[in-house]
Amino acid sequence: ETGVTQTPRHLVMGMTNKKSLKCEQHLGHNAMYWYKQSAKKPLELMFVYNFKEQTENNSVPSRFSPECPNSSHLFLHLHTLQPEDSALYLCASSQARDSGRNEQFFGPGTRLTVL
Amino acid sequence: RKEVEQDPGPFNVPEGATVAFNCTYSNSASQSFFWYRQDCRKEPKLLMSVYSSGNEDGRFTAQLNRASQYISLLIRDSKLSDSATYLCVAWAGANNLFFGTGTRLTVIP
Repeated sequence: ETGVTQTPRHLVMGMTNKKSLKCEQHLGHNAMYWYKQSAKKPLELMFVYNFKEQTENNSVPSRFSPECPNSSHLFLHLHTLQPEDSALYLCASSQARDSGRNEQFFGPGTRLTVL
Repeated sequence: RKEVEQDPGPFNVPEGATVAFNCTYSNSASQSFFWYRQDCRKEPKLLMSVYSSGNEDGRFTAQLNRASQYISLLIRDSKLSDSATYLCVAWAGANNLFFGTGTRLTVIP
């Protein structure tokens, strides 16, 4: 399935590095999301973009910086991360945030390890 | 109190068994609900959406009880391939979408 793709699939970085995660959706959706999934915790919603406008920032530290250049692409820029930021980062998309249904389709995720 | 609560399990059931999971939600304004399955080290995949009292798709049935604020997922005739973690999701509009921690199911031959 290639509805939502994410690159890279795995990333190891040091605390002083700068890297970016990329997400692309081919479903014609207008809302895109970044989630963090840590072991034994529920998915944590980080950022929401609806029609390219950021509508949510769930108190995410500034070392995570999202970018949404168009409805199909979403980036998460990372800098000076901490070891506790190691997690699976999932991108998702849906028709639109307030479409009334909001089924979200997920990408395969980027498994991030911060050393 | 967590927005969405699930029994983490694990549920270990034999092939062919019927198994049910419950999920409770705290926000009475929740209007839509979803069940996702997530295989180990994979992304969540949408299994079923629930907008009214319930939904059925083959061996899977979801029931919504708004009065008691819970939704259930029933799996009949369990297959080995049903082994996964099942995530319950409640959406109360806008960005109010909350995931449970998931219920782990293992179907045993």
